[in-house]
Amino acid sequence: GQQLNQSPQSMFIQEGEDVSMNCTSSSIFNTWLWYKQDPGEGPVLLIALYKAGELTSNGRLTAQFGITRKDSFLNISASIPSDVGIYFCAGRVFYGGSQGNLIFGKGTKLSVKP
Amino acid sequence: DTGVSQDPRHKITKRGQNVTFRCDPISEHNRLYWYRQTLGQGPEFLTYFQNEAQLEKSRLLSDRFSAERPKGSFSTLEIQRTEQGDSAMYLCASSLGSWGLTKNIQYFGAGTRLSVL
Repeated sequence: GQQLNQSPQSMFIQEGEDVSMNCTSSSIFNTWLWYKQDPGEGPVLLIALYKAGELTSNGRLTAQFGITRKDSFLNISASIPSDVGIYFCAGRVFYGGSQGNLIFGKGTKLSVKP
Repeated sequence: DTGVSQDPRHKITKRGQNVTFRCDPISEHNRLYWYRQTLGQGPEFLTYFQNEAQLEKSRLLSDRFSAERPKGSFSTLEIQRTEQGDSAMYLCASSLGSWGLTKNIQYFGAGTRLSVL
């Protein structure tokens, strides 16, 4: 089945640092989404990407839809403490009888450096 | 806009018991999805509805699982004869979409955490 490889699995940030994470797929997707999930809560949408090469920003967050349609990255600039949490990429493809339900990566856990 | 609402937030049950979860989607959304999330993993798709019709089911949805959306509004997910492996967070999402519509954003509820003892 389709799988998303998300990296890194975890990272520690110091306030003010820039953060970068990415997802790669063995299959082509026609939509990439980035979600953030806090403990005990559901995922919250951060950015949605619909076209290859698209670069979209949401405040300090920037994400890009890779040209090959098999990858995407998310950057967070000037991180702040409330950025901690788990970030998930999710891809969607329309095929056959499927309406393109989301396939999620395993997440990147962002923590604050002690 | 009250968002996607799920009830209960937590459920503890004994192995072999039946459990039922409820999801109330965003009011104008015609699509409703169920996902399961285990520790350290991303959500995995279980099933989805367009209005009252259940249009797709994952292989993860065993015969012990059944989902309904009788009036095209709220949905229930029932697990019969629960097993310890059913312990997970069950997430509901809703969206406004039609066939082939690209911008079909799914908004998630806070989930129901199930613990099977």
